[in-house]
Amino acid sequence: DAGVTQSPTHLIKTRGQQVTLRCSPKSGHDTVSWYQQALGQGPQFIFQYYEEEERQRGNFPDRFSGHQFPNYSSELNVNALLLGDSALYLCASSPVGSRDGYTFGSGTRLTVV
Amino acid sequence: AQTVTQSQPEMSVQEAETVTLSCTYDTSESDYYLFWYKQPPSRQMILVIRQEAYKQQNATENRFSVNFQKAAKSFSLKISDSQLGDAAMYFCAYRSDRGYSNSGYALNFGKGTSLLVTP
Repeated sequence: DAGVTQSPTHLIKTRGQQVTLRCSPKSGHDTVSWYQQALGQGPQFIFQYYEEEERQRGNFPDRFSGHQFPNYSSELNVNALLLGDSALYLCASSPVGSRDGYTFGSGTRLTVV
Repeated sequence: AQTVTQSQPEMSVQEAETVTLSCTYDTSESDYYLFWYKQPPSRQMILVIRQEAYKQQNATENRFSVNFQKAAKSFSLKISDSQLGDAAMYFCAYRSDRGYSNSGYALNFGKGTSLLVTP
């Protein structure tokens, strides 16, 4: 049973560009959350999607947007990249209503130059 | 917003010994969940143990156990019989139990403790 899969694994972008990161949740999971983890820090919550709608958002600017597809997979889009957007982006999934911890993927390492 | 503090940036333990990682949190809520996650060099966050705030009994998972002190807002992780494979970053995380209000889905993480296990 595949867990949470994320692509790509690594990515290098230039300041000002746009990037799209992808996530497939664990089988049986229908909510997807995205986190940003800067070097040496704990992950910071970006937003969570359920039923193709954003249902909670963290303290991130509108440059960060997302989408969830009918098959529950999700994309994270970041526009107008800044050097400070360089981080590990983690995707996490869970069944709706679950009070257990989320299942995380291995992340996408984004470097903005 | 709830804050989670891990005051030990780095800890070291010898194989087969016991180590305790500290975590404190700040909240005005009475219902919530606490978690310890492990992040090895593979980068994937792995759930180690969870605790519901309404339960007085401390959670235990094999060699991992917690000391949950609700009044003191403290949630420490004890690793017994440490193994080389336990070496990783450990993160303490808090989650509200307010999912019905569309505000209880986020995990709030501490900055982490790097655990080194020496032979």
